[in-house]
Amino acid sequence: GAGVSQTPSNKVTEKGKYVELRCDPISGHTALYWYRQSLGQGPEFLIYFQGTGAADDSGLPNDRFFAVRPEGSVSTLKIQRTERGDSAVYLCASSAAGTAAYNEQFFGPGTRLTVL
Amino acid sequence: QKEVEQNSGPLSVPEGAIASLNCTYSDRGSQSFFWYRQYSGKSPELIMSIYSNGDKEDGRFTAQLNKASQYVSLLIRDSQPSDSATYLCAVNKGGSYIPTFGRGTSLIVHP
Repeated sequence: GAGVSQTPSNKVTEKGKYVELRCDPISGHTALYWYRQSLGQGPEFLIYFQGTGAADDSGLPNDRFFAVRPEGSVSTLKIQRTERGDSAVYLCASSAAGTAAYNEQFFGPGTRLTVL
Repeated sequence: QKEVEQNSGPLSVPEGAIASLNCTYSDRGSQSFFWYRQYSGKSPELIMSIYSNGDKEDGRFTAQLNKASQYVSLLIRDSQPSDSATYLCAVNKGGSYIPTFGRGTSLIVHP
């Protein structure tokens, strides 16, 4: 597609449930990032993929969060046993850059997750 | 000290004026600097990137980088009401693929 797409756009779930959030990056972009953003804050890094592998998952807050990118394109962020504190907008971004210096990122529209 | 600091604002300027947005960063080895615009309820959109000291101009936007003083700024000339948004500064440490974002500065351009 022309840009990064994310589904669903909104997700309401109950505390303790499992959720999956999907990101489809710009075609050909090898780098994919997940962030979450709370009101009044900048995006907070969660995990970065280069191709199929998670190159840096240091931002994942705990082991309830997991992400995959099995074929180097679409990625899924998985959250187990959701908590009310997980409520935020989850953003996905992709980049074509092969070097750290020039990784201009393009963001998807985000998924607003609400945990009741 | 936060890694990337921005005044949260709001910064209010009249239409047609120059809006000046500032960002400071703590890591002296940072190499890549980005400005994103985020409209309310939308996702960030890249508007400028800068990698070397000095000015970089793109239309009404000018990014300025001063590595010695560890700040990067964004100037918006001839501000329009449509420029009203939150502007996020993002900084990559040297060799890192992971940007650190500031909390953003809210800009209001009033007619």
